[in-house]
Amino acid sequence: KAGVTQTPRYLIKTRGQQVTLSCSPISGHRSVSWYQQTPGQGLQFLFEYFSETQRNKGNFPGRFSGRQFSNSRSEMNVSTLELGDSALYLCASSLEGHRLIGSEKLFFGSGTQLSVL
Amino acid sequence: AQKITQTQPGMFVQEKEAVTLDCTYDTSDPSYGLFWYKQPSSGEMIFLIYQGSYDQQNATEGRYSLNFQKARKSANLVISASQLGDSAMYFCAMREGLTADSGGGADGLTFGKGTHLIIQP
Repeated sequence: KAGVTQTPRYLIKTRGQQVTLSCSPISGHRSVSWYQQTPGQGLQFLFEYFSETQRNKGNFPGRFSGRQFSNSRSEMNVSTLELGDSALYLCASSLEGHRLIGSEKLFFGSGTQLSVL
Repeated sequence: AQKITQTQPGMFVQEKEAVTLDCTYDTSDPSYGLFWYKQPSSGEMIFLIYQGSYDQQNATEGRYSLNFQKARKSANLVISASQLGDSAMYFCAMREGLTADSGGGADGLTFGKGTHLIIQP
């Protein structure tokens, strides 16, 4: 079974631009969540999607948005990029988006390394 | 207050020795899950092991076991017979608000700062 696939692997943008990252979950997984990893803040939860609906959101500004398609693939978008947005963005998938014990294990992709110049 | 605390920023261990990575957590939720992930230099977060708050026995997955002490709010990862390929960052994480009934949104994982483990030959 293929794992979580994230594209692109690396991305370089300049301040003020916008960027779109893509994530394909493990086949059969319906929940996709996104995390930001920086040396200073560590790993932080961005948002989670289930059945094309955002179910939960972390403490990030509105410049960070996402969506999920009917095939469970997800994209996240960052508008008006800032230097501080430079980070590794990790996508994770799980079977269900519920808080159901046993279905909450998250499996991550390799991430997209975003550099903002 | 931090929800997940990993007190060992870095560790050096001789190959074939057992390793214990510390993790303490803070929650008032009765239902939660604890995770350990490994992150090699490639960046991918690799799922290692999971322990639910209601699980009666400590979780084991191959060479990995979780020493779960609920009263102390401790969930230490034990790696037996360490190998050179075990060198990586290790993260402890928690997911709160788990229930036995479906419904509701899933909270994100809260991660610790990580432990950088280096296995020496």
